[in-house]
Amino acid sequence: SQQGEEDPQALSIQEGENATMNCSYKTSINNLQWYRQNSGRGLVHLILIRSNEREKHSGRLRVTLDTSKKSSSLLITASRAADTASYFCATGRNRDDKIIFGKGTRLHILP
Amino acid sequence: GAVVSQHPSRVICKSGTSVKIECRSLDFQATTMFWYRQFPKQSLMLMATSNEGSKATYEQGVEKDKFLINHASLTLSTLTVTSAHPEDSSFYICSASRLGVGGYTFGSGTRLTVV
Repeated sequence: SQQGEEDPQALSIQEGENATMNCSYKTSINNLQWYRQNSGRGLVHLILIRSNEREKHSGRLRVTLDTSKKSSSLLITASRAADTASYFCATGRNRDDKIIFGKGTRLHILP
Repeated sequence: GAVVSQHPSRVICKSGTSVKIECRSLDFQATTMFWYRQFPKQSLMLMATSNEGSKATYEQGVEKDKFLINHASLTLSTLTVTSAHPEDSSFYICSASRLGVGGYTFGSGTRLTVV
């Protein structure tokens, strides 16, 4: 089963621009995580935000969480060619419990 | 940092044969391991959750007799795809949750092609 939706499904932007991806989910959560996946490869954990947090930063990444709207956003600032990948949000209802992935956003950074 | 090794990275097998995929946590003990399947350009679909020493919990629609999961130790879980068919061709990824710490570490995935 899948928890939610990311939008857009695909995004192409010029290098140096900011990229924003959104994630919506359906049930109550304990945490929400964002992952990156390069084509045909494993997942890289980017950031985890807990249900009692509203915003979190890590380098060029900024994640927000709005539990009232059941949505999250991932902002990548000053995008680079190496940021080209698929990005997934994943939600967990309890710590250590299974996490369910959204459908993902395919991000393409144009040189 | 936590590392999960998944092996093999790629495998091609004939229809009707079985394939075993291993997932090892190299430097930590994994309370729980998860198995996902990913079709091209799609998201990861959770197949099952395995806890060391107990039977795996399968998601709805996943055949437990076809996808055998064994979690014999705190550092090793295996997924065996039995009587493989071409429609089982997919990317299989495991992840491990660290005992007492939480968080998830993913393996690098196994590309299975059934011919």
